Amino acid sequence: SYELTQPPSVSVSPGQTASITCSGDKLGDTYAYWYQQKPGQSPVLVIYQDDKRPSGIPDRFSGSNSGNTATLTISGTQAMDEADYYCQKWDSSAALVFGGGTKLTVL
Amino acid sequence: QVTLRESGPALVKLTQTLTLTCTFSGFSLTTRAMCVTWIRQPPGKALEWLALIDWDDDKYYNTSLKTRLTISKDTSKNQVVLTMADMDPVDTATYYCARTSAGSGVDYWGQGTLVTVSP
Repeated sequence: SYELTQPPSVSVSPGQTASITCSGDKLGDTYAYWYQQKPGQSPVLVIYQDDKRPSGIPDRFSGSNSGNTATLTISGTQAMDEADYYCQKWDSSAALVFGGGTKLTVL
Repeated sequence: QVTLRESGPALVKLTQTLTLTCTFSGFSLTTRAMCVTWIRQPPGKALEWLALIDWDDDKYYNTSLKTRLTISKDTSKNQVVLTMADMDPVDTATYYCARTSAGSGVDYWGQGTLVTVSP
């Protein structure tokens, strides 16, 4: 079965840029999606189709996807961005695949 | 306004079958490309995709859980039902239903329902 690999944790200082990676075999050949989940809340879609932002998502969130790696970038990171982040793709059998999640700490 | 809400038992016993209902509004599961999916999350752990049903009544399952899962829909009631057989304590998790469209992101999520499996 297909696997997506994320670093367990990433730390960033307020105002700096955070990058969270998601790795998988030929991931760049399909779209990647990113979700933000704060404690006790349901996930929220923050990036779809590699680099598009849903309505209401701040433009400090951006995404890219090439080769075997998708990257979520948060520019000018704020304390409110501290959360768990999950990448996701669709596999060939119409199943959803999620990465293991990355805990972003803003300190 | 799109909303989804999960309902079902908070507690089930070992080997029992779990039945969860997702009641949604603001969209129709008869609309081409529309899908409803179930995703779970054990306490402190990652999201795990379970099953998906689409507008055409095609059904897709997590291969590792396929033998235990059944997903169905009642478009007249705007509901999707997930059953999971032979429950075990490792199945303790928050279960989410959510909306997606074929090949797109999961754009609306329910609040989730915590299901605990007792030994």
